Amino acid sequence: AQSVSQHNHHVILSEAASLELGCNYSYGGTVNLFWYVQYPGQHLQLLLKYFSGDPLVKGIKGFEAEFIKSKFSFNLRKPSVQWSDTAEYFCAVNGFSGGYNKLIFGAGTRLAVHP
Amino acid sequence: DAGVTQSPTHLIKTRGQQVTLRCSPKSGHDTVSWYQQALGQGPQFIFQYYEEEERQRGNFPDRFSGHQFPNYSSELNVNALLLGDSALYLCASSWGQDRGPQYFGPGTRLLVL
Repeated sequence: AQSVSQHNHHVILSEAASLELGCNYSYGGTVNLFWYVQYPGQHLQLLLKYFSGDPLVKGIKGFEAEFIKSKFSFNLRKPSVQWSDTAEYFCAVNGFSGGYNKLIFGAGTRLAVHP
Repeated sequence: DAGVTQSPTHLIKTRGQQVTLRCSPKSGHDTVSWYQQALGQGPQFIFQYYEEEERQRGNFPDRFSGHQFPNYSSELNVNALLLGDSALYLCASSWGQDRGPQYFGPGTRLLVL
């Protein structure tokens, strides 16, 4: 079955620590990849997206993600997290067979950043 | 530029009742998708509307139905509510049916008692 896996359900970091959240998907065709963020009390916001071209994409607030096709992965990174990065992060994929613009989400990773 | 709006923000219903949720897409968008987000899980695709027709459907029963109006706004209807329908219902809008990013509204939190 087509799916998206996020390896860490909960991550706790101190400010200035580096962040890497894993995301893997199961599909061999052409995909578009997204990371969404949900800050406490707010709605889902697009953090960054990959459609084609340079596999290293940069998003808002200093986040970046790398698409590794051979590993079916799209990991999210940030060199130095801030307390304001506390949120839930969702990896999403579309492009599954017959699924134009149908997003498949991972279960999410809840990040807590301590001052 | 107004983003995606949804109403109501919260709703409490009892088993067996019917509910209608509403969504207005982001300005310039013509495609509306609905997702269900259960507690502790990622959003799950319910269906998508484009040109006033249901274009795609996820793994949800026929109790879930929808509609899109000429102004691109949309409704999600759920009949014969079950306790398991309690969730956050998210509306997302995008342009056309290509694979562009979707923009989400704040959601409607439905509690079924």
